[in-house]
Amino acid sequence: NAGVTQTPKFQVLKTGQSMTLQCAQDMNHNSMYWYRQDPGMGLRLIYYSASEGTTDKGEVPNGYNVSRLNKREFSLRLESAAPSQTSVYFCASSYGGADVFEETQYFGPGTRLLVL
Amino acid sequence: AQSVTQLDSQVPVFEEAPVELRCNYSSSVSVYLFWYVQYPNQGLQLLLKYLSGSTLVKGINGFEAEFNKSQTSFHLRKPSVHISDTAEYFCAVSAVADTDKLIFGTGTRLQVFP
Repeated sequence: NAGVTQTPKFQVLKTGQSMTLQCAQDMNHNSMYWYRQDPGMGLRLIYYSASEGTTDKGEVPNGYNVSRLNKREFSLRLESAAPSQTSVYFCASSYGGADVFEETQYFGPGTRLLVL
Repeated sequence: AQSVTQLDSQVPVFEEAPVELRCNYSSSVSVYLFWYVQYPNQGLQLLLKYLSGSTLVKGINGFEAEFNKSQTSFHLRKPSVHISDTAEYFCAVSAVADTDKLIFGTGTRLQVFP
Protein backbone atom coordinates (compact mmCIF):
# COMPACT_ATOMS: atom_id res chain seq x y z
CA ASN A 1 0.00 0.00 0.00
CA ALA A 2 1.28 3.46 -0.90
CA GLY A 3 -0.79 5.12 1.85
CA VAL A 4 -1.37 8.81 1.11
CA THR A 5 0.31 10.23 -1.96
CA GLN A 6 0.56 13.86 -3.03
CA THR A 7 1.58 15.56 -6.26
CA PRO A 8 3.52 17.62 -6.99
CA LYS A 9 6.28 17.55 -4.36
CA PHE A 10 7.44 21.08 -5.17
CA GLN A 11 5.88 23.99 -7.03
CA VAL A 12 6.80 27.60 -7.69
CA LEU A 13 4.02 29.96 -8.77
CA LYS A 14 3.78 33.61 -9.62
CA THR A 15 1.19 35.75 -7.86
CA GLY A 16 -2.17 35.31 -9.55
CA GLN A 17 -1.47 31.92 -11.09
CA SER A 18 -3.68 28.96 -10.31
CA MET A 19 -2.86 25.36 -9.52
CA THR A 20 -4.34 22.18 -8.13
CA LEU A 21 -2.69 19.98 -5.54
CA GLN A 22 -3.60 16.33 -5.87
CA CYS A 23 -4.02 13.80 -3.08
CA ALA A 24 -4.94 10.13 -3.19
CA GLN A 25 -5.21 7.39 -0.57
CA ASP A 26 -5.45 3.64 -1.01
CA MET A 27 -6.58 2.72 2.51
CA ASN A 28 -10.33 2.87 1.76
CA HIS A 29 -10.68 5.75 4.21
CA ASN A 30 -13.84 7.81 4.39
CA SER A 31 -12.36 11.08 5.64
CA MET A 32 -9.73 13.23 3.97
CA TYR A 33 -8.10 16.52 4.98
CA TRP A 34 -5.93 19.35 3.71
CA TYR A 35 -3.58 21.19 6.09
CA ARG A 36 -1.00 23.89 5.69
CA GLN A 37 2.15 24.05 7.79
CA ASP A 38 3.87 27.35 8.46
CA PRO A 39 6.93 27.95 10.65
CA GLY A 40 6.01 28.40 14.30
CA MET A 41 2.31 27.76 13.66
CA GLY A 42 1.98 24.00 13.52
CA LEU A 43 -0.57 22.55 11.12
CA ARG A 44 -3.84 24.29 10.37
CA LEU A 45 -6.83 22.65 8.76
CA ILE A 46 -7.91 24.19 5.45
CA TYR A 47 -10.76 21.91 4.36
CA TYR A 48 -11.89 18.40 5.08
CA SER A 49 -14.22 15.82 3.62
CA ALA A 50 -15.97 13.44 5.98
CA SER A 51 -17.23 11.28 3.13
CA GLU A 52 -17.43 11.15 -0.65
CA GLY A 53 -19.53 14.03 -1.88
CA THR A 54 -19.17 16.25 1.20
CA THR A 55 -16.67 18.98 2.06
CA ASP A 56 -16.42 21.40 4.97
CA LYS A 57 -14.32 24.40 5.85
CA GLY A 58 -11.58 24.17 8.40
CA GLU A 59 -9.72 26.90 10.23
CA VAL A 60 -8.15 28.70 7.22
CA PRO A 61 -10.28 28.10 4.07
CA ASN A 62 -10.00 31.53 2.42
CA GLY A 63 -8.31 31.46 -0.99
CA TYR A 64 -8.80 27.72 -1.47
CA ASN A 65 -11.33 25.34 -2.97
CA VAL A 66 -11.51 21.57 -2.73
CA SER A 67 -13.04 18.70 -4.64
CA ARG A 68 -13.68 15.20 -3.34
CA LEU A 69 -13.47 13.52 -6.72
CA ASN A 70 -14.23 10.03 -5.41
CA LYS A 71 -13.47 8.07 -2.26
CA ARG A 72 -9.74 7.93 -3.07
CA GLU A 73 -9.00 11.45 -4.26
CA PHE A 74 -9.24 14.89 -2.67
CA SER A 75 -7.81 17.90 -4.50
CA LEU A 76 -6.98 21.41 -3.29
CA ARG A 77 -7.15 24.34 -5.72
CA LEU A 78 -5.62 27.78 -5.48
CA GLU A 79 -7.52 29.95 -7.95
CA SER A 80 -5.27 33.01 -7.68
CA ALA A 81 -2.14 32.34 -5.68
CA ALA A 82 -0.82 34.93 -3.23
CA PRO A 83 2.56 35.10 -1.45
CA SER A 84 0.72 34.44 1.84
CA GLN A 85 -0.07 30.98 0.49
CA THR A 86 3.60 30.03 0.45
CA SER A 87 3.59 27.03 2.72
CA VAL A 88 3.92 23.28 2.97
CA TYR A 89 0.63 21.54 2.27
CA PHE A 90 -0.24 18.16 3.73
CA CYS A 91 -3.04 15.85 2.81
CA ALA A 92 -4.26 13.30 5.35
CA SER A 93 -6.90 10.61 5.57
CA SER A 94 -8.61 8.65 8.32
CA TYR A 95 -11.04 5.78 8.64
CA GLY A 96 -13.90 8.08 9.67
CA GLY A 97 -16.07 5.26 10.89
CA ALA A 98 -17.86 4.38 14.10
CA ASP A 99 -14.88 2.65 15.74
CA VAL A 100 -13.07 5.43 17.55
CA PHE A 101 -10.02 3.23 18.06
CA GLU A 102 -9.47 3.37 14.31
CA GLU A 103 -9.34 7.16 14.40
CA THR A 104 -5.85 8.03 13.27
CA GLN A 105 -4.98 10.50 10.55
CA TYR A 106 -2.38 9.30 8.08
CA PHE A 107 -0.36 12.00 6.34
CA GLY A 108 1.14 12.32 2.91
CA PRO A 109 4.72 13.55 2.32
CA GLY A 110 3.66 17.13 1.59
CA THR A 111 3.81 19.66 -1.24
CA ARG A 112 6.18 22.59 -0.86
CA LEU A 113 4.69 25.67 -2.54
CA LEU A 114 6.44 28.96 -3.12
CA VAL A 115 4.43 31.90 -4.44
CA LEU A 116 6.51 34.77 -5.77
CA ALA B 1 -13.10 25.11 20.96
CA GLN B 2 -9.91 23.28 21.78
CA SER B 3 -6.37 24.60 21.91
CA VAL B 4 -2.95 23.08 22.46
CA THR B 5 0.15 24.65 23.95
CA GLN B 6 3.57 23.12 23.51
CA LEU B 7 5.67 24.91 26.04
CA ASP B 8 9.08 24.37 24.45
CA SER B 9 9.85 25.23 20.85
CA GLN B 10 13.23 23.49 21.03
CA VAL B 11 14.64 20.82 23.33
CA PRO B 12 18.34 19.94 23.05
CA VAL B 13 19.44 16.71 24.72
CA PHE B 14 22.39 14.35 24.65
CA GLU B 15 22.09 10.84 23.31
CA GLU B 16 20.97 8.26 25.90
CA ALA B 17 19.58 10.96 28.19
CA PRO B 18 15.87 11.03 29.12
CA VAL B 19 13.58 13.60 27.58
CA GLU B 20 10.15 15.09 28.27
CA LEU B 21 8.24 17.17 25.75
CA ARG B 22 5.47 19.14 27.37
CA CYS B 23 1.93 19.58 26.08
CA ASN B 24 -1.04 21.28 27.69
CA TYR B 25 -4.50 21.50 26.23
CA SER B 26 -7.65 23.50 26.81
CA SER B 27 -11.15 22.23 26.18
CA SER B 28 -14.62 22.47 27.67
CA VAL B 29 -15.54 19.00 26.35
CA SER B 30 -13.98 15.56 26.47
CA VAL B 31 -11.03 15.13 24.15
CA TYR B 32 -8.77 12.66 22.42
CA LEU B 33 -5.04 13.43 22.48
CA PHE B 34 -2.29 12.59 20.02
CA TRP B 35 1.45 12.92 19.53
CA TYR B 36 2.83 12.99 16.00
CA VAL B 37 6.46 13.04 14.84
CA GLN B 38 7.77 14.70 11.70
CA TYR B 39 11.20 13.77 10.40
CA PRO B 40 12.93 16.27 8.08
CA ASN B 41 11.14 16.73 4.77
CA GLN B 42 8.53 14.11 5.59
CA GLY B 43 4.89 13.98 6.57
CA LEU B 44 3.62 13.40 10.09
CA GLN B 45 3.55 9.95 11.66
CA LEU B 46 1.48 8.97 14.68
CA LEU B 47 3.55 8.19 17.78
CA LEU B 48 0.70 7.45 20.18
CA LYS B 49 -2.81 8.44 21.12
CA TYR B 50 -5.03 8.60 24.17
CA LEU B 51 -8.68 7.76 23.57
CA SER B 52 -9.81 6.27 26.88
CA GLY B 53 -8.77 3.83 29.61
CA SER B 54 -5.28 3.79 31.12
CA THR B 55 -3.80 7.25 31.36
CA LEU B 56 -0.31 5.95 30.51
CA VAL B 57 -0.07 5.37 26.80
CA LYS B 58 2.81 3.59 25.10
CA GLY B 59 3.69 4.34 21.51
CA ILE B 60 6.25 3.48 18.89
CA ASN B 61 10.01 3.93 19.18
CA GLY B 62 9.96 3.67 23.00
CA PHE B 63 7.90 6.81 23.59
CA GLU B 64 5.14 7.06 26.16
CA ALA B 65 2.79 9.79 27.35
CA GLU B 66 0.61 10.31 30.37
CA PHE B 67 -2.81 11.91 30.26
CA ASN B 68 -3.42 14.09 33.31
CA LYS B 69 -6.97 15.40 33.26
CA SER B 70 -6.64 17.59 36.35
CA GLN B 71 -3.60 19.36 34.92
CA THR B 72 -4.89 19.18 31.32
CA SER B 73 -1.54 17.84 30.22
CA PHE B 74 -0.30 15.10 27.91
CA HIS B 75 3.49 15.13 28.21
CA LEU B 76 5.63 12.88 26.02
CA ARG B 77 8.58 11.01 27.52
CA LYS B 78 11.39 8.71 26.48
CA PRO B 79 13.86 7.28 29.02
CA SER B 80 16.83 7.19 26.64
CA VAL B 81 16.92 9.05 23.33
CA HIS B 82 18.82 8.18 20.19
CA ILE B 83 20.27 10.37 17.48
CA SER B 84 17.51 9.11 15.19
CA ASP B 85 14.88 10.69 17.46
CA THR B 86 15.91 14.12 16.17
CA ALA B 87 12.68 15.45 14.68
CA GLU B 88 9.77 17.80 15.25
CA TYR B 89 7.06 16.58 17.60
CA PHE B 90 3.48 17.78 17.51
CA CYS B 91 0.82 17.41 20.17
CA ALA B 92 -2.76 17.46 18.90
CA VAL B 93 -6.27 17.36 20.34
CA SER B 94 -9.73 16.67 19.01
CA ALA B 95 -13.11 16.79 20.66
CA VAL B 96 -14.62 13.37 21.22
CA ALA B 97 -17.72 14.49 19.34
CA ASP B 98 -15.81 15.96 16.39
CA THR B 99 -12.77 13.88 15.53
CA ASP B 100 -12.45 15.45 12.07
CA LYS B 101 -11.10 18.67 13.57
CA LEU B 102 -7.63 17.95 14.87
CA ILE B 103 -6.00 20.96 16.52
CA PHE B 104 -2.21 20.95 16.51
CA GLY B 105 0.29 22.63 18.78
CA THR B 106 3.11 24.66 17.29
CA GLY B 107 5.60 21.83 17.64
CA THR B 108 8.74 21.06 19.61
CA ARG B 109 12.00 20.46 17.82
CA LEU B 110 13.96 17.72 19.58
CA GLN B 111 17.69 17.88 18.79
CA VAL B 112 19.72 14.91 20.02
CA PHE B 113 23.47 15.45 20.26
CA PRO B 114 26.11 12.68 20.38
